[in-house]
Amino acid sequence: EAGVTQFPSHSVIEKGQTVTLRCDPISGHDNLYWYRRVMGKEIKFLLHFVKESKQDESGMPNNRFLAERTGGTYSTLKVQPAELEDSGVYFCASSQEQGRATEAFFGQGTRLTVV
Amino acid sequence: RKEVEQDPGPFNVPEGATVAFNCTYSNSASQSFFWYRQDCRKEPKLLMSVYSSGNEDGRFTAQLNRASQYISLLIRDSKLSDSATYLCVVKLGSGGSNYKLTFGKGTLLTVNP
Repeated sequence: EAGVTQFPSHSVIEKGQTVTLRCDPISGHDNLYWYRRVMGKEIKFLLHFVKESKQDESGMPNNRFLAERTGGTYSTLKVQPAELEDSGVYFCASSQEQGRATEAFFGQGTRLTVV
Repeated sequence: RKEVEQDPGPFNVPEGATVAFNCTYSNSASQSFFWYRQDCRKEPKLLMSVYSSGNEDGRFTAQLNRASQYISLLIRDSKLSDSATYLCVVKLGSGGSNYKLTFGKGTLLTVNP
């Protein structure tokens, strides 16, 4: 069974450009999460989808970030316009059920560098 | 105060050593607790869940003290392959069936031959 896949694995863009990250969750997983790790800091929650609905987007840093999950399958995270402080590793995770002990499976992440 | 705080590390130990990681969390309403492992430039992977009664999985033992809001991970007879960053993770519900994971900064372990 395929795991959580993310694309691209790396992206280097200039400040002011737009970048779109994609996440394909494990098939059948209704819950999809985006997380980010900025260098030297802990992994931080960005937002949570249940199917196509945004359940919690309290971690989104500002309105330059837009996440979508049309049809409840894959998700995209767009950063527009990108700033230097957006550099980091963006992880996507999915889980089948929502519950206290449910395991979340992570993708390998997209390493974003804004120069 | 950070939501989840871990030993800053790094830890460098010889093969066969026993090593312990500590973690504290600030929100007493936190409901589930985990240790994740992250290899260099890889994704976090669940190592084990942590239960109030304590739980063991081979060489790994996890403990939870809810009163002290403290979580620990003990690795016995460490192997070279245990070298990784160990992440303390806390799950908290924010209403209804909505839960999210909060991560500690991680503790880097290097096991030396």
